[in-house]
Amino acid sequence: SQQGEEDPQALSIQEGENATMNCSYKTSINNLQWYRQNSGRGLVHLILIRSNEREKHSGRLRVTLDTSKKSSSLLITASRAADTASYFCATARGSYNTDKLIFGTGTRLQVFP
Amino acid sequence: KAGVTQTPRYLIKTRGQQVTLSCSPISGHRSVSWYQQTPGQGLQFLFEYFSETQRNKGNFPGRFSGRQFSNSRSEMNVSTLELGDSALYLCASSPRRGIERMNTEAFFGQGTRLTVV
Repeated sequence: SQQGEEDPQALSIQEGENATMNCSYKTSINNLQWYRQNSGRGLVHLILIRSNEREKHSGRLRVTLDTSKKSSSLLITASRAADTASYFCATARGSYNTDKLIFGTGTRLQVFP
Repeated sequence: KAGVTQTPRYLIKTRGQQVTLSCSPISGHRSVSWYQQTPGQGLQFLFEYFSETQRNKGNFPGRFSGRQFSNSRSEMNVSTLELGDSALYLCASSPRRGIERMNTEAFFGQGTRLTVV
């Protein structure tokens, strides 16, 4: 079963606007990662935030993590049509014995030119 | 450096048949995981291999199996295919290096789209 829920399930915005996606998870984690998937293809890693971090930036991406609320958000600023994709959060329990990721339900982002 | 390679990209099989999917991880990566993606269940963890040993297995029936070879390449097999096995099967590899091995990203292949008819 999936660890987390993401909302919204779908998001439509215009180019230049910001997009915010939220992820909630259920158990303790070592890190939380965000991935992008274009049209049923492979997943591309976007950013990883550790459980002892609260905010992280990478280019136009900003991720926050609130372990007390077991939630994370991904903000894409100044969105582009090329950002159209599905976005998934994934949690890692953090063990030397596993790289297993538990994925959220995903947010489908549509950016209109 | 070449990425994760999955073959074949597309596959159509009949109910009751079996299928083998292949995954070649990034050179130097010894950890390989498999995931099933369906519209209804989303991304589900299948199993994980490290140095030819299965470390974890998801909640899937015994019809789903896998293995890893000494060169880290991995295969997964599904026997007695059912319509519900139609899915995108994704393979991911991860580096395992030093004290950072708990905080490493996964590198995914393009997936194998399996259709069972």
